[in-house]
Amino acid sequence: DGGITQSPKYLFRKEGQNVTLSCEQNLNHDAMYWYRQDPGQGLRLIYYSQIVNDFQKGDIAEGYSVSREKKESFPLTVTSAQKNPTAFYLCASSPSPGGSYEQYFGPGTRLTVT
Amino acid sequence: GENVEQHPSTLSVQEGDSAVIKCTYSDSASNYFPWYKQELGKRPQLIIDIRSNVGEKKDQRIAVTLNKTAKHFSLHITETQPEDSAVYFCAASGSGVDTGRRALTFGSGTRLQVQP
Repeated sequence: DGGITQSPKYLFRKEGQNVTLSCEQNLNHDAMYWYRQDPGQGLRLIYYSQIVNDFQKGDIAEGYSVSREKKESFPLTVTSAQKNPTAFYLCASSPSPGGSYEQYFGPGTRLTVT
Repeated sequence: GENVEQHPSTLSVQEGDSAVIKCTYSDSASNYFPWYKQELGKRPQLIIDIRSNVGEKKDQRIAVTLNKTAKHFSLHITETQPEDSAVYFCAASGSGVDTGRRALTFGSGTRLQVQP
């Protein structure tokens, strides 16, 4: 379970504020991913990065932004433009670029915006 | 892009019975099919995966079958135990060479309840 961490576990924000979720991994993985999970639903891909300084939009990128300045870190910013930001956010990493490898998930951050 | 459908959304079985969860996918270029188990409030954990050059894979009480022609794959859990109760997700991914997308697409999940 160790190797990929997310902080904080719970996060509360007021509507209209940007918030950044942290994701760090020490597995030396090239690829990192951000997913959003809503109650009773599957995981929806927000952004992913196959290599440092490069990232691609997933299925629901609107209202989110990311950066990948270091191999170990892939922070996600939830902007005020995201209409329904309250959700469980999961970060994952994978050994190699490409989707055909196991993804290791972090423990998640539960974001509540009121 | 890839679309993954998963059924059923909920499944209740008696302890000791078998459970089967089915998924279909749309992209014929997909070549990797993992299954994840997620307990309440926790992170998804990989329980088994299969690649497109294999039709079946087993790991103790868990097995996965893949039918590439029909574009569907299934998870089979035998001799279910209460600790198998969780949400199970299937996923599919291709190499991204054709589509440019190199990430998993997940099904919507199946809540499995094993009754003691």
